[in-house]
Amino acid sequence: ETGVTQTPRHLVMGMTNKKSLKCEQHLGHNAMYWYKQSAKKPLELMFVYSLEERVENNSVPSRFSPECPNSSHLFLHLHTLQPEDSALYLCASSQDGASNEKLFFGSGTQLSVL
Amino acid sequence: DAKTTQPPSMDCAEGRAANLPCNHSTISGNEYVYWYRQIHSQGPQYIIHGLKNNETNEMASLIITEDRKSSTLILPHATLRDTAVYYCGHLGAGSYQLTFGKGTKLSVIP
Repeated sequence: ETGVTQTPRHLVMGMTNKKSLKCEQHLGHNAMYWYKQSAKKPLELMFVYSLEERVENNSVPSRFSPECPNSSHLFLHLHTLQPEDSALYLCASSQDGASNEKLFFGSGTQLSVL
Repeated sequence: DAKTTQPPSMDCAEGRAANLPCNHSTISGNEYVYWYRQIHSQGPQYIIHGLKNNETNEMASLIITEDRKSSTLILPHATLRDTAVYYCGHLGAGSYQLTFGKGTKLSVIP
């Protein structure tokens, strides 16, 4: 148990659906992250929030929309996804987002887009 | 961007030391070297990180070459629970982009 909880663990959605991924951290951290892990590609950073402000957006398509209502919760809203968006979506948190910190990852949401 | 390269797979006998290499020949002077591991169906787990000096914690040791172009993660007494994919990565000061390589799948053999 890392202190970072993601729900749901598995999600199957059609290309026209709208769904949301949820992440909650119980570590008192100030920075939260969304990463994408595909089968044949290295881990890709998608978004970073520090103190509830988005500080990094790595050229992610607009069909992915993050939301950080407070420092403990992070959402990833999904709409009109493509089959190539099928992947493991990982949430992580760190104390402040500084470069010498360690990330605490959740177990991820395995997303399948049909 | 600096890249990292790792062997795709390695075997290690249970109880022996596992030495996992990583090449990061284009790493910048202010970039930390990080190691994480991922057990199937879980998120990555932090192991250790360092800048220039060798580091040791309760999980592992990190040896960084003097020119910082490569590093080795050492698990001193590998157990079956250490079977996982081990990722080497780097992160620069002021950056949020923790860049991982493709990882080494370590199999600890009884």
